[in-house]
Amino acid sequence: SQQGEEDPQALSIQEGENATMNCSYKTSINNLQWYRQNSGRGLVHLILIRSNEREKHSGRLRVTLDTSKKSSSLLITASRAADTASYFCATDLIQGAQKLVFGQGTRLTINP
Amino acid sequence: DAGVIQSPRHEVTEMGQEVTLRCKPISGHDYLFWYRQTMMRGLELLIYFNNNVPIDDSGMPEDRFSAKMPNASFSTLKIQPSEPRDSAVYFCASSFGQGSRQKLFFGSGTQLSVL
Repeated sequence: SQQGEEDPQALSIQEGENATMNCSYKTSINNLQWYRQNSGRGLVHLILIRSNEREKHSGRLRVTLDTSKKSSSLLITASRAADTASYFCATDLIQGAQKLVFGQGTRLTINP
Repeated sequence: DAGVIQSPRHEVTEMGQEVTLRCKPISGHDYLFWYRQTMMRGLELLIYFNNNVPIDDSGMPEDRFSAKMPNASFSTLKIQPSEPRDSAVYFCASSFGQGSRQKLFFGSGTQLSVL
């Protein structure tokens, strides 16, 4: 079963706007990761946030983690056409083995 | 570094045929994962290896699926016999150290179509 669920499933915004995607999960985790997938390509790691962290930044990306609500958000500021892709959150399980479980993803479209 | 290399990039086969997907992980990485991606089920973890040893194959759908890692630089995923419902994109990924605490590096995937 899926551990992470992204919301919304699809998001379409204008270039220059900010994009926010959310991820909710079910059980306690060690860390949460965000990945990007361009059409027809493999996934690319964006950022990892550990369970004892609340916020992390990487360039135009900002990730937050709220373990009490079992949720995370990915914010992309000043979006560009090249940001058009699917974005996935991935979680592990504190009691589980060393593996990541991916959500269904958010399809982000940046309109020029 | 060349990254994770998968072959073939595309595979079209007929139902009942054997299919072998190949993966070369990044040199030095000690974890290797096989994922399957479909529109209906998203990304599913099929199996993963640590230091060439299969650790968890609970995601392998049926006995028709098998995976091997004979050495640190090569892994195969075999489907025998293949069925139309096996059509999907199969990804191989590798990481270094402590499994889920490290980022995964994905290959470009193999698009499998079973007719």
